[in-house]
Amino acid sequence: GQSLEQPSEVTAVEGAIVQINCTYQTSGFYGLSWYQQHDGGAPTFLSYNALDGLEETGRFSSFLSRSDSYGYLLLQELQMKDSASYFCAVRSAGGSYIPTFGRGTSLIVHP
Amino acid sequence: DVKVTQSSRYLVKRTGEKVFLECVQDMDHENMFWYRQDPGLGLRLIYFSYDVKMKEKGDIPEGYSVSREKKERFSLILESASTNQTSMYLCASTTSRQGVYEQYFGPGTRLTVT
Repeated sequence: GQSLEQPSEVTAVEGAIVQINCTYQTSGFYGLSWYQQHDGGAPTFLSYNALDGLEETGRFSSFLSRSDSYGYLLLQELQMKDSASYFCAVRSAGGSYIPTFGRGTSLIVHP
Repeated sequence: DVKVTQSSRYLVKRTGEKVFLECVQDMDHENMFWYRQDPGLGLRLIYFSYDVKMKEKGDIPEGYSVSREKKERFSLILESASTNQTSMYLCASTTSRQGVYEQYFGPGTRLTVT
């Protein structure tokens, strides 16, 4: 089966940089996704990494190391609106369109 | 923009009732999913469908069934609702474009079973 580990909560101040880690165990691996979910809202897609390295999209970046079964989401220039839950999800072999989600990290941004 | 809609945002049902949750997507996606989300447990897959009339069990299918008669519509059925099925239910559909795998989620249905 698959399992993912991410911290349950991270706190930071406005303007800071925060990194949310995700480690995974899976039989076969296609890629790692990140989703953001505000309270009461639906998860929305942030990024997808299939290859090693850093992908940058504005203030958000996502990193993957396949050899370490590890990835992270980096949020820069934090804003209050970034307070949300962040989920990593692994797409693994054997279920080509079926991702497995982590339990989510609650990010709290303080003024 | 891709749109995934769910029939209700909030639903209150009684124990033993049969409950239907509807999901519709407008982007011709082959794959559709039903998840439930509970605090501290993340998103858990109930059922998914990769084509019309095709369905596969996810991690927690007990007490649920699904129907996919048309490509754009995926229904979740609670045969006899129980209080432990009180949860947020999320529908999603997927595309794969240029190697990027992205799921689109509906707004969710918060179901309370009393």
